[in-house]
Amino acid sequence: GNSVTQMEGPVTLSEEAFLTINCTYTATGYPSLFWYVQYPGEGLQLLLKATKADDKGSNKGFEATYRKETTSFHLEKGSVQVSDSAVYFCALSDPNDMRFGAGTRLTVKP
Amino acid sequence: EPEVTQTPSHQVTQMGQEVILRCVPISNHLYFYWYRQILGQKVEFLVSFYNNEISEKSEIFDDQFSVERPDGSNFTLKIRSTKLEDSAMYFCASSPDRVSGNTIYFGEGSWLTVV
Repeated sequence: GNSVTQMEGPVTLSEEAFLTINCTYTATGYPSLFWYVQYPGEGLQLLLKATKADDKGSNKGFEATYRKETTSFHLEKGSVQVSDSAVYFCALSDPNDMRFGAGTRLTVKP
Repeated sequence: EPEVTQTPSHQVTQMGQEVILRCVPISNHLYFYWYRQILGQKVEFLVSFYNNEISEKSEIFDDQFSVERPDGSNFTLKIRSTKLEDSAMYFCASSPDRVSGNTIYFGEGSWLTVV
């Protein structure tokens, strides 16, 4: 079945540091890939997505590239801010299923 | 921007009581979902709903759970006899259709505490 594995947290960075959160997937078909973000006390918000191999999703300085050869969709940001502190969920969907990773908590310190 | 809305935002209930969580999906969406997130754990799929019937459900979605679309706008999750382990954040979501690549839009969640 489909599954998503993402880097375990928590991740603590200083402001302006480079961020990478790893995400790999297993899927039988050709899924779309997503990153969702959950800020403290809030629901899930779509951060970015990619629907086919080599697509790059980007939003708010975050980027992730759909790599079919490595079955990965790593989230990156060049310079994090305190306001980026949240839990980040990698997810995949295909016509039959949507699966989430376990979530990675990011804390950015000033 | 259209959004999925959920009520209540928080509910505390006694074990064994029935709970109904309400959701208003985005108006032109056709697929509706419930997910849950036990505190500190991953987001888990419960059920999807299309054309007034359950499309898929997970092993978590047992006989104590039911979903309904009682009118043209609301989508409800009923938990018949709550257990302590039902304490979680319940997210409603909707999507325009079920084609892969369509974003699923989530509500803010309903936090259920069973005591």
